[in-house]
Amino acid sequence: DGGITQSPKYLFRKEGQNVTLSCEQNLNHDAMYWYRQDPGQGLRLIYYSQIVNDFQKGDIAEGYSVSREKKESFPLTVTSAQKNPTAFYLCASSMDGSYGYTFGSGTRLTVV
Amino acid sequence: DQQVKQNSPSLSVQEGRISILNCDYTNSMFDYFLWYKKYPAEGPTFLISISSIKDKNEDGRFTVFLNKSAKHLSLHIVPSQPGDSAVYFCAASVASGSARQLTFGSGTQLTVLP
Repeated sequence: DGGITQSPKYLFRKEGQNVTLSCEQNLNHDAMYWYRQDPGQGLRLIYYSQIVNDFQKGDIAEGYSVSREKKESFPLTVTSAQKNPTAFYLCASSMDGSYGYTFGSGTRLTVV
Repeated sequence: DQQVKQNSPSLSVQEGRISILNCDYTNSMFDYFLWYKKYPAEGPTFLISISSIKDKNEDGRFTVFLNKSAKHLSLHIVPSQPGDSAVYFCAASVASGSARQLTFGSGTQLTVLP
């Protein structure tokens, strides 16, 4: 079954630590995206990548970093510079020029 | 500056009645619009879409209407069922380089009461 997998589903981080969220897809999609969901604020774009080894900042990239070394993988690192990292993180992918995204099931990150 | 707005954070409807979810946008470059449905602790799933060259698209119980002059779209669910209770996100799309980016609204929590 083709799909997009995010892991882990729940993640706890101590203040001052970096943490990496995994996103893997086997849909052969070229473009991948990271969104953050906060209550009442919808989905906000963090980073996106249209091809391997290339990525662009979204609306709220500060405190985050990404890499795109393989077409299938687009991990997101939440760094200690992110002041309010507790949120629900969603990864998505799409074909080039396609008109919709396929989303993963999300990772809930909590800073303790 | 929110380019896609869903002004109603919540909506309650009786089972069997019509649910109408609204969405407004400001960017006239948007040419494709989508609705996603999201259950708690899950990723959004695609529901229905419409191109800017159309004003209506139907899929079973779901119909999306687009009014380009008013920059407004709406999702109608008839009849509403308890399983429709979820957060509904409106999204608008514009071509950006070789891929399309989606801009999402803030979502509307629909509750269908049995």
